[in-house]
Amino acid sequence: EPEVTQTPSHQVTQMGQEVILRCVPISNHLYFYWYRQILGQKVEFLVSFYNNEISEKSEIFDDQFSVERPDGSNFTLKIRSTKLEDSAMYFCASSLTGGSSYEQYFGPGTRLTVT
Amino acid sequence: AQTVTQSQPEMSVQEAETVTLSCTYDTSENNYYLFWYKQPPSRQMILVIRQEAYKQQNATENRFSVNFQKAAKSFSLKISDSQLGDTAMYFCAFMITNDYKLSFGAGTTVTVRA
Repeated sequence: EPEVTQTPSHQVTQMGQEVILRCVPISNHLYFYWYRQILGQKVEFLVSFYNNEISEKSEIFDDQFSVERPDGSNFTLKIRSTKLEDSAMYFCASSLTGGSSYEQYFGPGTRLTVT
Repeated sequence: AQTVTQSQPEMSVQEAETVTLSCTYDTSENNYYLFWYKQPPSRQMILVIRQEAYKQQNATENRFSVNFQKAAKSFSLKISDSQLGDTAMYFCAFMITNDYKLSFGAGTTVTVRA
């Protein structure tokens, strides 16, 4: 069964550094998402992406964050200048199309640790 | 804004028995979907069951069923005949119809004992 994959599984970076988290969504899916979960807190929506544009973003998704689909398979989340509070598990998800009737398939997550 | 509350951080159940996980939510919307996701240890979240708010009939998927009480804004998950493979974190989630984002509860860790 097709799966969403994410790399790396764990990323350690120093405060102020840029990080890129990578995701390969399911191949025929058109909508892509990033969520994050700070340790001990809820999973939170960051951004959704369709047709090479952001379709919705949360207030967490400020100018430090950007998303890109650089080729036909990858979907990336970039954090320009990491802060300690960016330490979290980041989940990528994809769905066949948008809207609530279509299941979002999640990747295993990337644990980001900012020191 | 929508909020989802799961009041049980952890639950333990004997194999073959039944466990019920609670979830309440708050919204002013009338059209929405509710979901239960399962996240086994070190693996990705997978959808267990989905309920459309406009449907009165409770959704069921094999051993998993929900009790959806729209007026009470309650959406509990019942796992019948629990199996060791049901050990996981379970998240309740909410989405407004035709929206893109899921709003999650804090999760309930379920441990099935042999």
